Amino acid sequence: NAGVTQTPKFQVLKTGQSMTLQCAQDMNHNSMYWYRQDPGMGLRLIYYSASEGTTDKGEVPNGYNVSRLNKREFSLRLESAAPSQTSVYFCASSEARVEWHRSNQPQHFGDGTRLSIL
Amino acid sequence: AQSVAQPEDQVNVAEGNPLTVKCTYSVSGNPYLFWYVQYPNRGLQFLLKYITGDNLVKGSYGFEAEFNKSQTSFHLKKPSALVSDSALYFCAVRGVYNFNKFYFGSGTKLNVKP
Repeated sequence: NAGVTQTPKFQVLKTGQSMTLQCAQDMNHNSMYWYRQDPGMGLRLIYYSASEGTTDKGEVPNGYNVSRLNKREFSLRLESAAPSQTSVYFCASSEARVEWHRSNQPQHFGDGTRLSIL
Repeated sequence: AQSVAQPEDQVNVAEGNPLTVKCTYSVSGNPYLFWYVQYPNRGLQFLLKYITGDNLVKGSYGFEAEFNKSQTSFHLKKPSALVSDSALYFCAVRGVYNFNKFYFGSGTKLNVKP
């Protein structure tokens, strides 16, 4: 009963290095999300994928790319890490239907990746 | 625009006392509202949701929330707080025009003192 699994849990990078954060869900959800959480700022949406094969920008997409590899997996890539990207990154998934009135399910979150960029 | 607001950064209560964590929303139409809890070094966990029907919604760990359409509020409540309820609480609303998106409040830190 894993739910949403994120790897790695912790990472330290140097400025300019690249890295991919991995996320997988086993609930057969259509929608997947990447958020960052910074002190005092709540959760900010980076990118989301409404279904396999589609991705869309959220509030803070600059400096990030994503890949929806298949229905289970959604990865987040930092091409050239910057200190401003030091944060805790959360992946989430949710069931969503075409009909609005069927889209009443919550999101399920992983336990996060704590990323420090020096 | 769709949004939620949590006006209190922190709420302090004594163990055994009732607690309220406030949330107001701004969305046209009928909102789908959610409360989540986050413990240290963990992801957000779903507590409860309001979809339609009864204005008082019951959820996990003895929490409940009251939906008030006229005041556009969805306050989280518990009759008797426990020290173990100390955590960060987030209110969220599902997008109406894009229901693949969720809009979160900034979070309220609940401190329950023995």
